[in-house]
Amino acid sequence: KQEVTQIPAALSVPEGENLVLNCSFTDSAIYNLQWFRQDPGKGLTSLLLIQSSQREQTSGRLNASLDKSSGRSTLYIAASQPGDSATYLCAVRGTSGSRLTFGEGTQLTVNP
Amino acid sequence: GAVVSQHPSWVICKSGTSVKIECRSLDFQATTMFWYRQFPKQSLMLMATSNEGSKATYEQGVEKDKFLINHASLTLSTLTVTSAHPEDSSFYICSADSNYGYTFGSGTRLTVV
Repeated sequence: KQEVTQIPAALSVPEGENLVLNCSFTDSAIYNLQWFRQDPGKGLTSLLLIQSSQREQTSGRLNASLDKSSGRSTLYIAASQPGDSATYLCAVRGTSGSRLTFGEGTQLTVNP
Repeated sequence: GAVVSQHPSWVICKSGTSVKIECRSLDFQATTMFWYRQFPKQSLMLMATSNEGSKATYEQGVEKDKFLINHASLTLSTLTVTSAHPEDSSFYICSADSNYGYTFGSGTRLTVV
């Protein structure tokens, strides 16, 4: 059974800092991995999708890497802003079926 | 990108009544949609997978008679919470798989009083 772990559970940084969120998964037989952002009381917004054959994806100030063999992904946020404050969720899709397995999330606070 | 529209955003209902939540894929067809429940400060819990034209697949511990799912077309799935009770109060979110990965609705906050 796939298990996804995110570290840290919470992170508070001053504005302008670069930061890294970590995601690890136990079963390396994945189809893809997706990073989401969730604001309080809202749905999930997809940030980056990495296919199993890819090593990284970039969108603006965000960069996500994937090391399938070691079961790890990182989300790098450059020059953080208060508007980046949210909960970030990592989700893995396995090779069999279409189910997503979520981590517990990292709650990020960027202080002005 | 792909968009999933979910309605209503919030609903308050009396105990014993039923509530229907709609999830629509606006610019793509979704043969499969997923329904999640989220408790405060917790991650998403998959409740069921709805399949267009066939019966939904429910996760262990989810009452299929309590949470009725209908996926009558390639763009619409509905979740009906029947005979709602206060313990059903929660945040419900749907999602569908598109060419851009999984796309989520904006969620429905259900409060049963």
